[in-house]
Parts: sequence; C-alpha cells; structure tokens
Amino acid sequence: GEDVEQSLFLSVREGDSSVINCTYTDSSSTYLYWYKQEPGAGLQLLTYIFSNMDMKQDQRLTVLLNKKDKHLSLRIADTQTGDSAIYFCAESTLTGGGNKLTFGTGTQLKVEL
Amino acid sequence: ETGVTQTPRHLVMGMTNKKSLKCEQHLGHNAMYWYKQSAKKPLELMFVYNFKEQTENNSVPSRFSPECPNSSHLFLHLHTLQPEDSALYLCASSQDATSGNEQFFGPGTRLTVL
Repeated sequence: GEDVEQSLFLSVREGDSSVINCTYTDSSSTYLYWYKQEPGAGLQLLTYIFSNMDMKQDQRLTVLLNKKDKHLSLRIADTQTGDSAIYFCAESTLTGGGNKLTFGTGTQLKVEL
Repeated sequence: ETGVTQTPRHLVMGMTNKKSLKCEQHLGHNAMYWYKQSAKKPLELMFVYNFKEQTENNSVPSRFSPECPNSSHLFLHLHTLQPEDSALYLCASSQDATSGNEQFFGPGTRLTVL
C-alpha cells in the first residue's frame, strides 16, 4: 500500500532557505504534489512534479525528486514569515476507483525573525 | 463565489444529533472528494464521486453518509457520531477522478462532537 512520511516540524530564520523532505513507498506514483495549509484554511497547491522528472523550479520553489530512493523535497529560497504554514507532500496513484492522492502528515514550518 | 466553498465552517454537535456538511464547487469540475483531517495524522480520503457516481468509499463507518446530487454539490450527512469523529472535514474537487489532475480544496468544516 501507499505510505508517505514527513518530519513534523522545521524551524528556519527569515531569509534562509527551507528544505522540507518527504519519502513515499509507491513506485507507481504518477504525480507528486506539495500543498500548503495556513491556519483555518484548506490546502492550497503550491507545485507538483511529474514522476519522470527529477527537478522543477518555480520562482522561490524548487522540487527535487529522487525516484530511485522515493524521496521528494521542497526547497523554499529566501523564506519569509508568510511562508509559515503546514506543508503536505502527496503522491498520486491510479487505482480502480480512479486517481487517488495519499498525503503525508504534514511538516509545520515556523519562520523566525 | 469562486473555488470550493464549505458550510458551515464550524459545527458542534451531540452524539445523538443529525447534521449535514455542504460543499459547493464553482470550477466546472466533475469529481468531488471528502477528506478527514485529524491532528498529527495524514489526511484520510473518505469518499470520491466522479460524474455524480461514488467511486471510492475508504471503509468509512455508516454514520457518515455522502450525497452528490450533481457535479457541483456534495453533502456529508452525519448521524450518531462519536467524539473521535471530531476533526476538520475537507472537501475537494478536480476536473475528473481518473487522471492526475490538481485537487482544489475548500476551507473545511471544523467539527466537534460532544
């Protein structure tokens, strides 16, 4: 079955880079996603990567995918206080019922001044 | 209204009450989802509807009863809940459920069962 793991907390100083890591188990994943959840809000898609890519850059965000090790990371450059939130990694797999997203537990990012 | 909306945003109910959560999407999508988010646990997929047909029931207890009258609306009817059902219930939608399309989430309903 699918299992997605993340560390629970990360604390960084404003202006530094943040790296949030994720491991997954299903090698048949088609897409891998990073979602952001701010307090009292739903999940907002930040970026995604197709499983045959190894890197994707989008402004301050860089996603790295190591398919061999089933490891995904999200790097946020020049981290700001507004980046404080919970970040969820998710993998997408096709099942009999259709496309299924399996989420990790989320990493709470705290940005300190 | 744009995106995915959910009402109510907060709900407190007793174990013998019957209540319903409502989700509406204004994105022209054909798939809708219910998720349960509990503290320190991964999001749990509960139900999937694709073109109004239920395609996934992730072993959810029968005290949760979904309804999808059309592609834009999704309900979750609640009856005889337990305190451990207290959680944030998130609705999402996507273009359809059979490809790797992005899921758009609503803000959630914070449910407390006394």
